[in-house]
Amino acid sequence: KQEVTQIPAALSVPEGENLVLNCSFTDSAIYNLQWFRQDPGKGLTSLLLIQSSQREQTSGRLNASLDKSSGRSTLYIAASQPGDSATYLCAVRSGNTGKLIFGQGTTLQVKP
Amino acid sequence: DGGITQSPKYLFRKEGQNVTLSCEQNLNHDAMYWYRQDPGQGLRLIYYSQIVNDFQKGDIAEGYSVSREKKESFPLTVTSAQKNPTAFYLCASSTITGGVSPLHFGNGTRLTVT
Repeated sequence: KQEVTQIPAALSVPEGENLVLNCSFTDSAIYNLQWFRQDPGKGLTSLLLIQSSQREQTSGRLNASLDKSSGRSTLYIAASQPGDSATYLCAVRSGNTGKLIFGQGTTLQVKP
Repeated sequence: DGGITQSPKYLFRKEGQNVTLSCEQNLNHDAMYWYRQDPGQGLRLIYYSQIVNDFQKGDIAEGYSVSREKKESFPLTVTSAQKNPTAFYLCASSTITGGVSPLHFGNGTRLTVT
């Protein structure tokens, strides 16, 4: 059974820092991995999608990497800003359906 | 603008009552999903549908029911059989059910049952 873990559960950094969020999964047979952002009381916004054949994806200040063999993904946020404060969730798709297995998320606070 | 609309944003019900949460999408997506989110936990899949008039149970389907009569709509009914219905419910959709397309989410409905 696929399990997804995100560490740490919470993170607080000063503005301007570069930071890394971690996601690990137990079964390397995945179709893709997706990173989401969730603001309090809101739905999820897709940030990056990495296919199983890819090693990384970039969007602006965000860079996500995928290492299937070790069951790990990282989300790198460059030059963090207070507006980046949110909960970040990673999710893996293991089968040929839309079923995603989610981690519990990392709640990020960027202090001005 | 294309997107997923969930309504209402907040919903309050008495224990023992059934309640239906609405989810509508105008993205022309084939697949739709319902997830439940509880504090401090990740999202868990309740039901999903890959095509009109067809749907499958997710990991926590007990106490829930769905229908998919139209491509754009995938309502979720929380029945009185659901033991802990208070939660944040999220609807999502995607273009295909294969591994290549991202999921798009609505803004959620927060259900409180007392």
